[in-house]
Amino acid sequence: DTAVSQTPKYLVTQMGNDKSIKCEQNLGHDTMYWYKQDSKKFLKIMFSYNNKELIINETVPNRFSPKSPDKAHLNLHINSLELGDSAVYFCASSQGMVGSFFGQGTRLTVV
Amino acid sequence: GENVEQHPSTLSVQEGDSAVIKCTYSDSASNYFPWYKQELGKRPQLIIDIRSNVGEKKDQRIAVTLNKTAKHFSLHITETQPEDSAVYFCAASGEGTSYGKLTFGQGTILTVHP
Repeated sequence: DTAVSQTPKYLVTQMGNDKSIKCEQNLGHDTMYWYKQDSKKFLKIMFSYNNKELIINETVPNRFSPKSPDKAHLNLHINSLELGDSAVYFCASSQGMVGSFFGQGTRLTVV
Repeated sequence: GENVEQHPSTLSVQEGDSAVIKCTYSDSASNYFPWYKQELGKRPQLIIDIRSNVGEKKDQRIAVTLNKTAKHFSLHITETQPEDSAVYFCAASGEGTSYGKLTFGQGTILTVHP
């Protein structure tokens, strides 16, 4: 069983489109995250939810909107996609002060 | 906010040699320091972590040391093997409003030559 799974794995779309990435974890963790990894491999947190409540919202354009229907799911919706949004997006989850478990990533390419 | 600096950005060693990667952090409230290994095209995977009440932790060929006074921590890999080749990230985290939030270093590309 995959601990943290996100879909899709690859996403190619045109500028201006709206797209969503879904994430689910079956570890029973209370906290879920979205990270962005750019072309230089730098990993930066975007959002964090704890028990469906938004607790971290880094400086991210408001075109990015996370949604957590329950503590096992955290989705990311992106409006009006731009070329600069191309990156790998990782979902992750954690429980307490333990390192996060990452999903397999979604490679988003905006053309 | 927290800032984590990681060095070197690339590291090339011969199989069997040791590899050391160093990180410094800025926020003295940080108390949890994990290390991740990311192979090409894969997810980051936790390989070892250390908490601020411990100075050193070892797991087979890998070890991590922490100097809270100097605010730096290091990853040591002994007897390196080609399968150790990957990008390694250090990270720092603390409790409070940033609970669980990981601030990552820039990454180190480790290449182990057979």
